[in-house]
Formats: sequence, structure tokens, C-alpha cells
Amino acid sequence: NAGVTQTPKFQVLKTGQSMTLQCAQDMNHEYMSWYRQDPGMGLRLIHYSVGAGITDQGEVPNGYNVSRSTTEDFPLRLLSAAPSQTSVYFCASSYLGGSPADTQYFGPGTRLTVL
Amino acid sequence: AQSVAQPEDQVNVAEGNPLTVKCTYSVSGNPYLFWYVQYPNRGLQFLLKYITGDNLVKGSYGFEAEFNKSQTSFHLKKPSALVSDSALYFCAVRDMIKAAGNKLTFGGGTRVLVKP
Repeated sequence: NAGVTQTPKFQVLKTGQSMTLQCAQDMNHEYMSWYRQDPGMGLRLIHYSVGAGITDQGEVPNGYNVSRSTTEDFPLRLLSAAPSQTSVYFCASSYLGGSPADTQYFGPGTRLTVL
Repeated sequence: AQSVAQPEDQVNVAEGNPLTVKCTYSVSGNPYLFWYVQYPNRGLQFLLKYITGDNLVKGSYGFEAEFNKSQTSFHLKKPSALVSDSALYFCAVRDMIKAAGNKLTFGGGTRVLVKP
């Protein structure tokens, strides 16, 4: 049981490049989400999904795309990277059914630098 | 809309002394409240949560948190801090409205430094 995994751990991009941050979980969680962490701003929700084929925007969705073709995977795509997207990105997952306050489990993060 | 405030950017405490990290929240309904800890270069780890019931919630690593509805607060506490408790602590809230899914709103984080 690996929990929530993220790849890569580190990435440097040039402005305008595109890339995909990978996230996978092996806990059969329905709910998955992407956050970005910036100093003094806590974690801000980018996109989330309540199941395969269902995604929705969070607090800061601009410049990012997501899809959820399987329960396990929830990739985050940067369409045209900008320096403002330099951040640490965390993926998280949890159950939806049962207790509505189920704990979210976080991946180790991807540190992205856009030059 | 839901929001969380952590009024202190950093808390310094001597090892063995009590540790308190403050958190206040705002939600339209009843809150679900969480504390997470982040050690350097690591992801967030769950510490504890409040759903309903007793206002004092006990969690991992000897931490506890007190829910105060009238003050809309959920302060994290530890009776005797350890140097290894030095980390970044996040408070988070989730509205009970099911349509919100599992969306969490996080505070800005409080860095705890425990000195030997």
C-alpha cells in the first residue's frame, strides 16, 4: 500500500513549456484534489474530482487542466507554464462515502520552478 | 464561503513547555476541523480532526485541540513540546454541506520552533 504518490519530485520549466504532474493513489478513494503551497498562503485548491469522469474547479484553477479517467490517477497539466506557477504542488485523496469528514491523505509533493 | 485564520506566523517555545497554535474559522454551517503537520521537504500529515461530540480532541504525537464554538476557534495544544515538534502546522476547515464535496480550506500555516 503506497498511499498517494506523486512524480516528479522536482521539475524546472521554461516559460511557455507544458508538462503534466502525475498523482496516483492505491486506496480506492473517490475524492482526489490538487493544491499548491506558497509561502504565507497555506494550501490553495486548484482542481478536485469526486470520481472518475468528474472534475471541478477549486480556488485557483487558471492555467491548469485536470482529467480523471480512472479512480487511481489524477494528473495535473500545466498548459503554458508561467513564473507565477512556481510553487510546491500536493495531491490529496480521501473517501467520499461514509463519514463526510474523512481524512485527506497527501502525497509528498512536487517542487516546480518556472524560469 | 469558508475561511481559516492562523494569526501567528511563528511560535517559539522551549522544550518541555506547553505549546499552543491558534486557529479561528468561519463557515456558514457546522464545521469539520482538521490539523495537519508538515515536516521539512515532506507532505502534510494528519494530526487530528473535530467532527462532533467532545470539544477536546486527542490526536497523534501527544497533540490535542480544543473546539470552542462561541469563539469559532480550534487551537492546537501539546502539554510538553519536543524539539522534534518543530514543523509547519496547518489548520483546515470543511463545511458540512455535502455539495461542497471534501473541499478543505487551509489557514496560512504556523511555523513552530522548539528550542532545546
